[in-house]
Amino acid sequence: AQSVAQPEDQVNVAEGNPLTVKCTYSVSGNPYLFWYVQYPNRGLQFLLKYITGDNLVKGSYGFEAEFNKSQTSFHLKKPSALVSDSALYFCAVRDTGGFKTIFGAGTRLFVKA
Amino acid sequence: DTAVSQTPKYLVTQMGNDKSIKCEQNLGHDTMYWYKQDSKKFLKIMFSYNNKELIINETVPNRFSPKSPDKAHLNLHINSLELGDSAVYFCASSQGGADNEQFFGPGTRLTVL
Repeated sequence: AQSVAQPEDQVNVAEGNPLTVKCTYSVSGNPYLFWYVQYPNRGLQFLLKYITGDNLVKGSYGFEAEFNKSQTSFHLKKPSALVSDSALYFCAVRDTGGFKTIFGAGTRLFVKA
Repeated sequence: DTAVSQTPKYLVTQMGNDKSIKCEQNLGHDTMYWYKQDSKKFLKIMFSYNNKELIINETVPNRFSPKSPDKAHLNLHINSLELGDSAVYFCASSQGGADNEQFFGPGTRLTVL
């Protein structure tokens, strides 16, 4: 069965500092991995995805994520956080042979000025 | 131009009533979804349609019935509303294929009194 874990309910970081939001996953086959962001009272917005190839993927708003197969992780990173990055971040996984995308519980990111 | 739209945005109703939420996407996608987000922000898949065919039907009370009149529309009808149905309901769409990201609507906040 597929599963996604986001071990941190909340991440706090100062503006200008690097940020990392953690995600680990479990699937039976090869994974497709996604990060989404949700701002207050809005729907989720796609940030980036890993399908195959280069383990470092770049996405919207300066975010990137590193796929690590041995650690079954897909952590979201940004070199320099902005206050406007404060939001709820969801990691998601889909088995290549399946129809269903499983979302993590979400991590709330607070960036302090 | 709104890619995925939902109506209404807010829905307040009494227990026992029947209500519907409508969703439309203008992206030309062939797969549409309904998700429920609870008060703790957990996001759970309810239903998915691919080319008007139901492909995901999670463990959801049969008071919930999706209907897809065409590829661009996926509506959700809820009978005999209960307090526990209070949540934010998101519609989403994607192009077919497990490696494609989903596009979410703005959500419908349902409050059952």
